[in-house]
Amino acid sequence: GAVVSQHPSWVICKSGTSVKIECRSLDFQATTMFWYRQFPKQSLMLMATSNEGSKATYEQGVEKDKFLINHASLTLSTLTVTSAHPEDSSFYICSARARSGVTDTQYFGPGTRLTVL
Amino acid sequence: GESVGLHLPTLSVQEGDNSIINCAYSNSASDYFIWYKQESGKGPQFIIDIRSNMDKRQGQRVTVLLNKTVKHLSLQIAATQPGDSAVYFCAENMSGNNRLAFGKGNQVVVIP
Repeated sequence: GAVVSQHPSWVICKSGTSVKIECRSLDFQATTMFWYRQFPKQSLMLMATSNEGSKATYEQGVEKDKFLINHASLTLSTLTVTSAHPEDSSFYICSARARSGVTDTQYFGPGTRLTVL
Repeated sequence: GESVGLHLPTLSVQEGDNSIINCAYSNSASDYFIWYKQESGKGPQFIIDIRSNMDKRQGQRVTVLLNKTVKHLSLQIAATQPGDSAVYFCAENMSGNNRLAFGKGNQVVVIP
């Protein structure tokens, strides 16, 4: 099946630093990747949609200058949380949609737990 | 949209019994629906999907039912096992729209 990986799986950083999270589709090419954040006991909130080779589309209320997204290839997208603050602490999850587009199924990565001190 | 509240609806089920998880979706134009399972500290795992031209689809131990009239989706798990303990999310997608909208989630606790 389609496998999506994320790195790192968890990160602890000091307030004011930047953190980069990688999302890779391991056995398929993903023209579209998505970034979500999830708070405890809550559902997934879509942050942005990332298309290979073009700018990401951000959801309303998500600061594009704070959450930088790069989709450099068909298998890699990165999310950089710039000048992180404690309120950015969350579980960040990426997903990827297969290029064939036979279905609209999104396959999710294992998530990255970010803790900002 | 984003769910609110800190308490997920919880279904407690005896091991071996059947589980039914319900979901009300919001967009009558949605034509593709997916159930995901999320274990603690992990990303969502695809379980089963269904398109709007169907009202029932079966997988291994799971069945999804779709009632478009009342915009209702359900997931049935047969012979529930301890490994089925997780949070289950339904998601809807509208054709031509990249984005998935997730429901609020239902916690399933399997009692051995």
